[in-house]
Amino acid sequence: QVQLVESGGGVVQPGRSLRLSCAASGFTFRNYGMHWVRQAPGKGLEWVAFISYDGRNKYHAASVQGRFTISRDDSRNTLYLQMSSLSAEDTALYYCAKHQSGYGHVNWGQGTLVTVSS
Amino acid sequence: QPVLTQSSSASASPGSSVKLTCTLSSGHSSYTIAWHQQQPGKAPRFLMKVEGNGSHTKGTGVPDRFSGSSSGADRYLTIANLQSEDEGDYYCETWDNDTWLFGGGTKLTVL
Repeated sequence: QVQLVESGGGVVQPGRSLRLSCAASGFTFRNYGMHWVRQAPGKGLEWVAFISYDGRNKYHAASVQGRFTISRDDSRNTLYLQMSSLSAEDTALYYCAKHQSGYGHVNWGQGTLVTVSS
Repeated sequence: QPVLTQSSSASASPGSSVKLTCTLSSGHSSYTIAWHQQQPGKAPRFLMKVEGNGSHTKGTGVPDRFSGSSSGADRYLTIANLQSEDEGDYYCETWDNDTWLFGGGTKLTVL
């Protein structure tokens, strides 16, 4: 079955950088686009970024554009999110999700918590 | 870009049915949406997609008690024979021009 396991979260100071990872298994990773979605404490879901199956197309939400970069390594079946210039507003649980065209986010990981605090 | 509007809360008794609504903004009434369930303290789970013509396609393992429908700009999630484990937050989602958007979510309480 599809399994998505995020890692890399933690406490980071404002202005610093952090890289999140998402290890995928149970499906042919290279055939699917992937997303990052975040959820601030007590709040709703916010889409963050998408990368196409071949890595050629990358889209980021306006709130993270220029600071966050999504990438993938198909040889490792791993999705990444490089985050820089972090602020308190980036504090959230970050989920990776598998994309299916016409369906949206069809499988979700358990999330990794990022806390931006001095 | 479309905007998705959901009621903030809903409640119903065990064994009864509840119908949650997600409304698409003007000019986007034909869009397909997806419903996700988030039980307390857990990750979201894809439930189904609902198309503008009312058809719905459920995810793997989603019980028959869950169904979807559509009317105009409204997309519905109906849960029959409510169980305690149905309590949680329900989000709708859509996509447009390489952007994905979520509604604010409806908190369902099973009384």
